[in-house]
Amino acid sequence: RKEVEQDPGPFNVPEGATVAFNCTYSNSASQSFFWYRQDCRKEPKLLMSVYSSGNEDGRFTAQLNRASQYISLLIRDSKLSDSATYLCVVNNQAGTALIFGKGTTLSVSS
Amino acid sequence: GAGVSQSPSNKVTEKGKDVELRCDPISGHTALYWYRQSLGQGLEFLIYFQGNSAPDKSGLPSDRFSAERTGGSVSTLTIQRTQQEDSAVYLCASSSGDGATGYTFGSGTRLTVV
Repeated sequence: RKEVEQDPGPFNVPEGATVAFNCTYSNSASQSFFWYRQDCRKEPKLLMSVYSSGNEDGRFTAQLNRASQYISLLIRDSKLSDSATYLCVVNNQAGTALIFGKGTTLSVSS
Repeated sequence: GAGVSQSPSNKVTEKGKDVELRCDPISGHTALYWYRQSLGQGLEFLIYFQGNSAPDKSGLPSDRFSAERTGGSVSTLTIQRTQQEDSAVYLCASSSGDGATGYTFGSGTRLTVV
């Protein structure tokens, strides 16, 4: 099982749609979880941390299910500017570095 | 500096040559990481520096790859005898934590081996 697995997509949605991405991770001892966003030919940028109780930042909601080793990201009222690749990230076995999924590509159209 | 700075932004080199990539982390960040991203692929962890501790080199793909961090700040990633499969974007990141906090990435060095 890969350390972090994501559906690569692409997800093609119209403006205003709600879209959800899922991610699974293999290391049950992971303690840190994040979603990053990466635009084409740019570096990844931190979108939000993911907390056990779930957390929301504007139109973005992240959820963590430790028992199932599953992380999700929900985007409401999609904007054209949300088009990007979304990377699911967890810390490694040693807790020293972050392991990145290959990403899920979102394309929002008008 | 205000952000993580990497140089050069682009590098084209001939197969077999050595290259050096530089990273200047955010001032005060004790942790520094190197990743690489091949075309259409995810980020691959290479090496991690934390303060004066011995680096975690577990991600380096071969002994042609090495990195150092001088004075706890600037880091250099060296690739010896480059091969075409080394072509990728090499990304440096820094953080103020121990690896459990989010990172700030530099804009990367795009390496092309011809």
